[in-house]
Amino acid sequence: DTEVTQTPKHLVMGMTNKKSLKCEQHMGHRAMYWYKQKAKKPPELMFVYSYEKLSINESVPSRFSPECPNSSLLNLHLHALQPEDSALYLCASSQLTGTDYGYTFGSGTRLTVV
Amino acid sequence: GNSVTQMEGPVTLSEEAFLTINCTYTATGYPSLFWYVQYPGEGLQLLLKATKADDKGSNKGFEATYRKETTSFHLEKGSVQVSDSAVYFCALSDLGAGSYQLTFGKGTKLSVIP
Repeated sequence: DTEVTQTPKHLVMGMTNKKSLKCEQHMGHRAMYWYKQKAKKPPELMFVYSYEKLSINESVPSRFSPECPNSSLLNLHLHALQPEDSALYLCASSQLTGTDYGYTFGSGTRLTVV
Repeated sequence: GNSVTQMEGPVTLSEEAFLTINCTYTATGYPSLFWYVQYPGEGLQLLLKATKADDKGSNKGFEATYRKETTSFHLEKGSVQVSDSAVYFCALSDLGAGSYQLTFGKGTKLSVIP
């Protein structure tokens, strides 16, 4: 299995809703990432988990809450979002040892906040 | 810090034309270099990569060579097809130096017309 699977593919939520994005990989990668991508822009790093521990939080508002239950799963919990949070949310994973430092991305969740 | 500069598009080519997308980088360590492709409405797919100087990455007719002396990783394809229409991102990472950050260029939109 060489894929990163993200669900759902599309999500529409109101500003008072609570929802979660899910990401799964079975490549044995020990680093997992959340990126946010606005239209016509490159992805921006939000969070990094290394060995299931939060390593990097790029000053992301607390209405985004990441969780890494185990080495294969990564969640992003959403609460009280704003319309400007509408974007494509990408999950990625990578190895942390060896020489193959490639990142594998999922196909993303397109989030619309209304 | 690390940075990536790539030619900004959009680039419009006729089918079977030669493609070059320029990419140069600045890095404090010895990075790995990547080209990612993003088709409309989809996530990022790794197109090719190179992990050391003079390495040539290749995939689906695309090629790029890691040039340390000119800090460049230009993407080329001899004969583009309509199906190559997408946004192309040059990126670098320095996981070998303990940095998780994947640094992207701004992206180049390629449109290939029949």
